[in-house]
Amino acid sequence: DTGVSQNPRHKITKRGQNVTFRCDPISEHNRLYWYRQTLGQGPEFLTYFQNEAQLEKSRLLSDRFSAERPKGSFSTLEIQRTEQGDSAMYLCASSFQRTGNTGELFFGEGSRLTVL
Amino acid sequence: RKEVEQDPGPFNVPEGATVAFNCTYSNSASQSFFWYRQDCRKEPKLLMSVYSSGNEDGRFTAQLNRASQYISLLIRDSKLSDSATYLCVVNSGNTGKLIFGQGTTLQVKP
Repeated sequence: DTGVSQNPRHKITKRGQNVTFRCDPISEHNRLYWYRQTLGQGPEFLTYFQNEAQLEKSRLLSDRFSAERPKGSFSTLEIQRTEQGDSAMYLCASSFQRTGNTGELFFGEGSRLTVL
Repeated sequence: RKEVEQDPGPFNVPEGATVAFNCTYSNSASQSFFWYRQDCRKEPKLLMSVYSSGNEDGRFTAQLNRASQYISLLIRDSKLSDSATYLCVVNSGNTGKLIFGQGTTLQVKP
């Protein structure tokens, strides 16, 4: 399967713990996005990368959230000192960006976080 | 005000009905527009891009009104398999940041 891969698929943690999610995009895709989705809501933008450069980070994201994409391949999203409000599905998507138009996003199946 | 707004519904329609969803966006500099479909407990998938002149893909028609900053999706001859959440997606200004609406839920009944 050469789609977007996310790990772990499920994570249950206690409040205050740190968690890290990994995303492996489609190999030729140069853009990678992280979104968060809760029940009944659309995906909420967190951040995105073009190659290894983080181009934008949501103002809604506190300093407890950090994302990296070393070498422009896989990406990690770390949440420090988790809170119950962080419980959500964390979705990763990748796209191939040509000059001009924004390419189609291909999503992974998501990583579901439950903070107890 | 949210950057992309949709009526969450739900829209409950019988098979064969025509249904239309609307979406408004706030950033007049936005250039890219899409409709995504999300099935329950699944990831979103692209349904169709929306072009300035409007475009059609089988039973689905998308329209863009830049003056009113409004996007629509029309589904003709609804099928049971069309039941899903439809997400309006717009890029934020002239950037690669893609903003999703809340989604509109469609339930097609036999």
